[in-house]
Amino acid sequence: DVKVTQSSRYLVKRTGEKVFLECVQDMDHENMFWYRQDPGLGLRLIYFSYDVKMKEKGDIPEGYSVSREKKERFSLILESASTNQTSMYLCASRLRDTISPLHFGNGTRLTVT
Amino acid sequence: AQTVTQSQPEMSVQEAETVTLSCTYDTSENNYYLFWYKQPPSRQMILVIRQEAYKQQNATENRFSVNFQKAAKSFSLKISDSQLGDTAMYFCAFRPGGGADGLTFGKGTHLIIQP
Repeated sequence: DVKVTQSSRYLVKRTGEKVFLECVQDMDHENMFWYRQDPGLGLRLIYFSYDVKMKEKGDIPEGYSVSREKKERFSLILESASTNQTSMYLCASRLRDTISPLHFGNGTRLTVT
Repeated sequence: AQTVTQSQPEMSVQEAETVTLSCTYDTSENNYYLFWYKQPPSRQMILVIRQEAYKQQNATENRFSVNFQKAAKSFSLKISDSQLGDTAMYFCAFRPGGGADGLTFGKGTHLIIQP
């Protein structure tokens, strides 16, 4: 069965800290994505990657960076966490073919205080 | 850029009733894909149904079906014989036919099934 694993379900960090959110998929998917989910705003794409070491900005990349050193792992980095980055973060992956749906992890609820 | 609009922030129906969630989208693409995802309180996003724009036939998956109106850019989800387990956030999503892009999501509809 398809599995996307996010390392933390809940995370509390202080303003200014560097934060790493990790995501691992076991399906050999080429494409991986990071979204943030906020009430009333739906899901918004932060960054995505279509291959190892490749990355593309999504709709709201400011304040974030990503790393993809291995095919199965896609990390989201908050260089200096701020309170407006308090949110639910969802990782997803899919095969390269266009009809393939996204498979999601369970989400990380990040609180920045 | 594409936009996806879900005009119903919340809906509530009785168990066993039929409910329709609306979704409209805006795009200049001719080839694209549409999806409905469900997010129960567990937070796990689950694919409900998908539709390829070049297919005229509406997709169905058991109690779930869509009404895809390409000219009107409308993609509504119908849930028949609703069950308590259908209580969830429902998101409509769009993806262009080519490229590695992610999905563009609507803001969601919170569906509550009352016993």
